Amino acid sequence: DTEVTQTPKHLVMGMTNKKSLKCEQHMGHRAMYWYKQKAKKPPELMFVYSYEKLSINESVPSRFSPECPNSSLLNLHLHALQPEDSALYLCASSQVARSEAFFGQGTRLTVV
Amino acid sequence: AQSVTQPDIHITVSEGASLELRCNYSYGATPYLFWYVQSPGQGLQLLLKYFSGDTLVQGIKGFEAEFKRSQSSFNLRKPSVHWSDAAEYFCAVGAHTSGTYKYIFGTGTRLKVLA
Repeated sequence: DTEVTQTPKHLVMGMTNKKSLKCEQHMGHRAMYWYKQKAKKPPELMFVYSYEKLSINESVPSRFSPECPNSSLLNLHLHALQPEDSALYLCASSQVARSEAFFGQGTRLTVV
Repeated sequence: AQSVTQPDIHITVSEGASLELRCNYSYGATPYLFWYVQSPGQGLQLLLKYFSGDTLVQGIKGFEAEFKRSQSSFNLRKPSVHWSDAAEYFCAVGAHTSGTYKYIFGTGTRLKVLA
């Protein structure tokens, strides 16, 4: 199984809502990532978890809160987002080093 | 600092023609290099990867890439393009930083295929 599963596929939320994005992998990978991708742009790294610990936060606003409850799951909690946060949110996983990343299909987020 | 440059934002080729997408990287150590493809609204699919060894690597869908250390390049090639190859292509480097491994992407090249 080389799949990274993201749910939901699409999400529309208001600026006062709280929602969560979920990512799951069963490849035994111990590194997991959140990327944000705006239209016609490359993915931008947001967070990296290594062995379930947050190891990189690329100065992401606190309205995005990541969580890694176990080695297979990665969540991204969203609160008080802005319309400019609308984007495709991609989750990925990999071995901790010397490995390719496997990406999920993404969650298309629209903030209204 | 690590970085990846894809000089061509858009490329248009005719179906059946050959293709080369350029990628240049900046990384102090031995680079781990990747090419990914993305169809609209989808995730990224790995085409091929280079870690070490043979500098010409084969990937899926008939793609290949050549690592040239002297030119800091990792160009992607395909001898005959199919209409289904139309997509966005990203070159990436795997980099160690702060004791963690992350992937840095180039700006992408959008491929259009003419019938």
